[in-house]
Amino acid sequence: QVQLVESGGGLVKPGGSLRLSCEASGFPFRDYYMSWIRQAPGKGLEWVAYISSDGSVTKYAESVKGRFTMSRDNAKNTLFLQMNSLGAEDAAVYYCAREVTGGSHSVDYWGQGTLVTVSS
Amino acid sequence: SYELTQPPSVSVSPGQTATITCSGDKLGDKFASWYRQKPGQSPVLVIYKDNKRPSGIAERFSGFNSGSTATLTISGTQATDEADYYCQAWDTITVAFGGGTKLTVL
Repeated sequence: QVQLVESGGGLVKPGGSLRLSCEASGFPFRDYYMSWIRQAPGKGLEWVAYISSDGSVTKYAESVKGRFTMSRDNAKNTLFLQMNSLGAEDAAVYYCAREVTGGSHSVDYWGQGTLVTVSS
Repeated sequence: SYELTQPPSVSVSPGQTATITCSGDKLGDKFASWYRQKPGQSPVLVIYKDNKRPSGIAERFSGFNSGSTATLTISGTQATDEADYYCQAWDTITVAFGGGTKLTVL
C-alpha cells in the first residue's frame, strides 16, 4: 500500500533552516509528481510546492519562493524540502503528498505530516 | 495569486443532502478537487477532476464545476461526514486551496 513518511520537523529559531524528508513506498515513486502542502495550527491547507516526476520542474507558492527548495532522489524514493530564512509564518504541519496523474495537481495520498515550530 | 472562496460553515440534518460551494475566477475552466479532513487526521481526497471519485469514496459524494463555482454534494449525509472540506484548483501558475468549510451534521 502507498506510504509516505515525513521526517525532519522540529523547533527552529527565526531565520534558521530546516530540511524535511519524505520516504515513499508502495508505488513507483519515479512516475509521480509530488507536492508539499502545509497547515498552520487551526488554519486551512496551503500549497507549498510541487515537483515533476523526474525532478526537472518545480513550482513554488509566492510565500516561499526564493527561500524553499524542493528536490527528490528517485533512486532512494525520497522527497526533500529545504527551508531557509524561516519565520513565524512558516510554522505548520508539513504534508508530503502524491499527485494524481493527469495534470490537475490533485493529491490522492498524504503523509501523516511533520510539525515545524519557529520560535526563539 | 488565484483565490478560492468557500462558506466557513454548512449545517445539515442526517439523511439530508449537504452542498458545499467553492468560487473562483473562471473556476469552471479548471479542474476542481475536494478534500475531507477530520480533526487530527491528514486530508482525504473525495473528488478530483471536478466529478471523479477515488476508489473507496462512497457514491454519496459527487462534484460539479461550471462557470465560477464548483460544488461538492453529499447525499444521505451521515454523522461520520462531519469534517472540514477544502476545495482545490490549479491555474497553471499556482495551486490554490479554498479556506475550508466546516460541515456540521445535526
